[in-house]
Amino acid sequence: LAKTTQPISMDSYEGQEVNITCSHNNIATNDYITWYQQFPSQGPRFIIQGYKTKVTNEVASLFIPADRKSSTLSLPRVSLSDTAVYYCLVGDRTGKSTFGDGTTLTVKP
Amino acid sequence: EPEVTQTPSHQVTQMGQEVILRCVPISNHLYFYWYRQILGQKVEFLVSFYNNEISEKSEIFDDQFSVERPDGSNFTLKIRSTKLEDSAMYFCASSELAGGSSTDTQYFGPGTRLTVL
Repeated sequence: LAKTTQPISMDSYEGQEVNITCSHNNIATNDYITWYQQFPSQGPRFIIQGYKTKVTNEVASLFIPADRKSSTLSLPRVSLSDTAVYYCLVGDRTGKSTFGDGTTLTVKP
Repeated sequence: EPEVTQTPSHQVTQMGQEVILRCVPISNHLYFYWYRQILGQKVEFLVSFYNNEISEKSEIFDDQFSVERPDGSNFTLKIRSTKLEDSAMYFCASSELAGGSSTDTQYFGPGTRLTVL
């Protein structure tokens, strides 16, 4: 089961781009990388998933280098409502998702 | 957009009582999960369920816990004799497939807050 490491917390200001990097040194060949967002007292919400290179959707981009030992979630022009905990997960064959401590992003005005 | 629903949103119970938490997964999903999150702590995996049987369970999921898919839509978590330390948010999730594929994304419900007194 691939373990992930993320910064515990990050601060940003409205309108800035935020990049959160996750390390997953022992990622397996078939593993995908998934990022979730969680607001207090709510369930985690899927943001983006990727396997390699770059994935972009309407809310974020995910950059994965060739060795896949890390990934970076990029949130363009954050707003106050992006204040949340962000989790990086690496898929395993059973489908069970192991959440780490996540990164608490605080966006300031 | 399809979503996972959970009932009740908040359940208060006395220690030693049985509780059943209910979930309706997304209709075409085949894999179902329960997680819990104690206040201020991280999300912890409890159990995964596929084809009417448990696929995997964590050490937290002991004999006081059980899961069931009683009909074609509901997925339940039963805690037989609740303890104070069972107080937490319980999240149900479902996915189309499991692990290591592009469609294994788990979609989470809003959670049930369980308070054991």
